[in-house]
Amino acid sequence: NAGVTQTPKFRILKIGQSMTLQCTQDMNHNYMYWYRQDPGMGLKLIYYSVGAGITDKGEVPNGYNVSRSTTEDFPLRLELAAPSQTSVYFCASSPGTRGYTFGSGTRLTVV
Amino acid sequence: KNEVEQSPQNLTAQEGEFITINCSYSVGISALHWLQQHPGGGIVSLFMLSSGKKKHGRLIATINIQEKHSSLHITASHPRDSAVYICAVRSGETSGSRLTFGEGTQLTVNP
Repeated sequence: NAGVTQTPKFRILKIGQSMTLQCTQDMNHNYMYWYRQDPGMGLKLIYYSVGAGITDKGEVPNGYNVSRSTTEDFPLRLELAAPSQTSVYFCASSPGTRGYTFGSGTRLTVV
Repeated sequence: KNEVEQSPQNLTAQEGEFITINCSYSVGISALHWLQQHPGGGIVSLFMLSSGKKKHGRLIATINIQEKHSSLHITASHPRDSAVYICAVRSGETSGSRLTFGEGTQLTVNP
């Protein structure tokens, strides 16, 4: 099994551009999450989903959007990129009451 | 004050030393997780605890629910143990199984 696959691994965006970070899992997990990790800070939850068709905001949702049309996919959309969105983004999935599987991360720089 | 506090923030040890990393939390939890993040960024789940103690190889994790405290121990440390160790708590079954993260402990083990 591939686990949680994130693409791209690296990206540089200009201010005002948009992009989608892709996340796919093949473990049939209901729960999926997007986190951002800033230097010296703990991971912060952006959005999460408890199943296909259901999403909800986390701690830091402003400037982002998500969708969950299938169990496998949970893309994160950045509209009008800002320098404050420079960060490392992690997607994760969980069956709900057990451990979490993380993707390898996307390092995003907004210039 | 963060809901999850780790200590120390940075730890340098000599190969073979016994290492302890501490995690205190201020909320009621349903589970506590210890994660490992290597240089290069990938995050791996080490343990999930709701009570007592777990052991995997040279790693031991303990939790005291009454004192809201957990420790991660590494016996006979090795340079390959160098990584950031992250404590995270899941605060409820009805909260989308979301995690709240500590800021991490950077461990360096010198040969």
